[in-house]
Amino acid sequence: DTEVTQTPKHLVMGMTNKKSLKCEQHMGHRAMYWYKQKAKKPPELMFVYSYEKLSINESVPSRFSPECPNSSLLNLHLHALQPEDSALYLCASSRADPGDEQYFGPGTRLTVT
Amino acid sequence: TQLLEQSPQFLSIQEGENLTVYCNSSSVFSSLQWYRQEPGEGPVLLVTVVTGGEVKKLKRLTFQFGDARKDSSLHITAAQPGDTGLYLCAGAPPGTYKYIFGTGTRLKVLA
Repeated sequence: DTEVTQTPKHLVMGMTNKKSLKCEQHMGHRAMYWYKQKAKKPPELMFVYSYEKLSINESVPSRFSPECPNSSLLNLHLHALQPEDSALYLCASSRADPGDEQYFGPGTRLTVT
Repeated sequence: TQLLEQSPQFLSIQEGENLTVYCNSSSVFSSLQWYRQEPGEGPVLLVTVVTGGEVKKLKRLTFQFGDARKDSSLHITAAQPGDTGLYLCAGAPPGTYKYIFGTGTRLKVLA
């Protein structure tokens, strides 16, 4: 099973709302990632968790707050977003070591109004 | 800053033609992955190349990793409309989780 699931599939939120994106994998992977992808662009790394600890934050604004409650779950909490934050948000996981291949979820299409 | 440059950016070909997509960098990668992505969906892993000079085949797709582990290529033989999509290479510098994606190649195969 190489499945990464993400919920919701689509999300529309106002600039004053608080919402969360969820990601789950049951492959025993110990590294999990959040990416942001704008239209016609490749995915850009936002955060990396390794063994449930935040390993990389690519200078992401604080209105995005990641959380890794356990080795299978990854959340991205959203607050006071801007319209330019509208994008496809992708979650990925990999076994454990740097450079291990990543498996991606289907993404959450976020629209900020 | 490490970059992965892909070429060509766009490719529109007839069914049955062959094509090659290139992924180049000036830096060494511990491995490179190739993905295909459909609009509005997550990237789907096609292959991982790890050893310099490695060649992997996946049906009509042939992947090669450069001897110096700085570049890779994807060759498709007898392309079919089902091959249409965005092809992305990706990798992380040795010892890091800082994955970067290539600039992407949009392929359209016409029936």
